[in-house]
Amino acid sequence: AQKVTQAQTEISVVEKEDVTLDCVYETRDTTYYLFWYKQPPSGELVFLIRRNSFDEQNEISGRYSWNFQKSTSSFNFTITASQVVDSAVYFCALDNFNKFYFGSGTKLNVKP
Amino acid sequence: GAVVSQHPSWVICKSGTSVKIECRSLDFQATTMFWYRQFPKQSLMLMATSNEGSKATYEQGVEKDKFLINHASLTLSTLTVTSAHPEDSSFYICSAREFGTGGEAFFGQGTRLTVV
Repeated sequence: AQKVTQAQTEISVVEKEDVTLDCVYETRDTTYYLFWYKQPPSGELVFLIRRNSFDEQNEISGRYSWNFQKSTSSFNFTITASQVVDSAVYFCALDNFNKFYFGSGTKLNVKP
Repeated sequence: GAVVSQHPSWVICKSGTSVKIECRSLDFQATTMFWYRQFPKQSLMLMATSNEGSKATYEQGVEKDKFLINHASLTLSTLTVTSAHPEDSSFYICSAREFGTGGEAFFGQGTRLTVV
């Protein structure tokens, strides 16, 4: 069975703090993709990153970085020097090419 | 990346009426499309998977007669909420997958349905 767990329901930080959003997944598939999406209040899902199961290299994009570790089935997302505009709900998801499996989401509040 | 357009972005309808939501893949052929429902402060819940030219596969607990899905072409799928009730008010999101299974999936911008 596939499952994506985001244990942090809500996180509040002060602007400029670093914050890590956790994501742990379960799957028996050997080939899959992992995603992070940002959902602002408007509701649209904003694509942040896609990582395939064979690529464990960490990735950095500006203030965003992702740590993929197959050994612990984790795909964590770190925002460095957070900004108020980062406030949103963030979803981690797994795609096994049949269906998408979403985590429950983490609401990030960045206060000025 | 590829673009999936969902229309309308929001709709208000009276209880008892039907509402149709369209999902279009603008620059690719989508053999498979998915419909999700999201209640406030909750995650996306898969409602059904539709393949072009065949009947949709509904997830357990989703009423197929209530939520009619049509995937008549490789670029268009529609979700019709029939005889809408206030409890159907929700955020509906579609996604479209290129090349059937194995292709990347892209999400529409969502439709906020309010039934009054």
